[in-house]
Amino acid sequence: EVQLLESGGGLVQPGGSLRLSCAASGFTFKTFAMNWVRQAPGKGLEWVSAISGSGGNTYYADSVKGRFTISRDNSKNTLYLQMNSLRAEDTAIYYCAKDVKAIRAYYFDYWGQGTLVTVSS
Amino acid sequence: DIQMTQSPSSLSASVGDRVTITCRASQNITTYLNWYQQKPGKVPKLLIYAASSLQSGVPSRFSGSGSGTDFSLTISSLQPEDFATYYCQQSYSISTFGGGTKVEI
Repeated sequence: EVQLLESGGGLVQPGGSLRLSCAASGFTFKTFAMNWVRQAPGKGLEWVSAISGSGGNTYYADSVKGRFTISRDNSKNTLYLQMNSLRAEDTAIYYCAKDVKAIRAYYFDYWGQGTLVTVSS
Repeated sequence: DIQMTQSPSSLSASVGDRVTITCRASQNITTYLNWYQQKPGKVPKLLIYAASSLQSGVPSRFSGSGSGTDFSLTISSLQPEDFATYYCQQSYSISTFGGGTKVEI
């Protein structure tokens, strides 16, 4: 059974940093691209970032480019999102989502339960 | 960047109704279009991929169509468990979600 478990969310001040993790199990992790998708309170879904199965290719939404860094450790079956220079508008539930392809964002067949990031002073 | 516009943003319907939601891309995305369902407090669920392919386990009352810039999701006979918010997502150029369509009673 595929399982994705996010952690690392919490309350952080504007300008601060946070690192999210997503522990994966139930599938061959290195074979699939992985994504972060966020949802602000009461709002729609926003794709944030993707990383290829090998970790060699990364992709970002314009809203986070230069501030967020996606990475993965295939030996630990874990996906990460390093978030720097956080802003109030980054407040959201952050979901990790498994892709169906190895290379890039395509479509997402499994999602974690999400971790809440709140950026506030 | 490719923008995705869904319409309507919300709709009211009754059990048994045929419901159609549309999604328009700001440029040609061929059939790189996917649909998700999200119920309140729950994680999004993949319904349709590649514009018209039904994800395993999804009831056949859900169907998708379209190509290029115009797409639609149809629920042939709305069931009580279908009241939710539906999102389209393009994957032609990285990824973008539409704004969502809330289907209410």
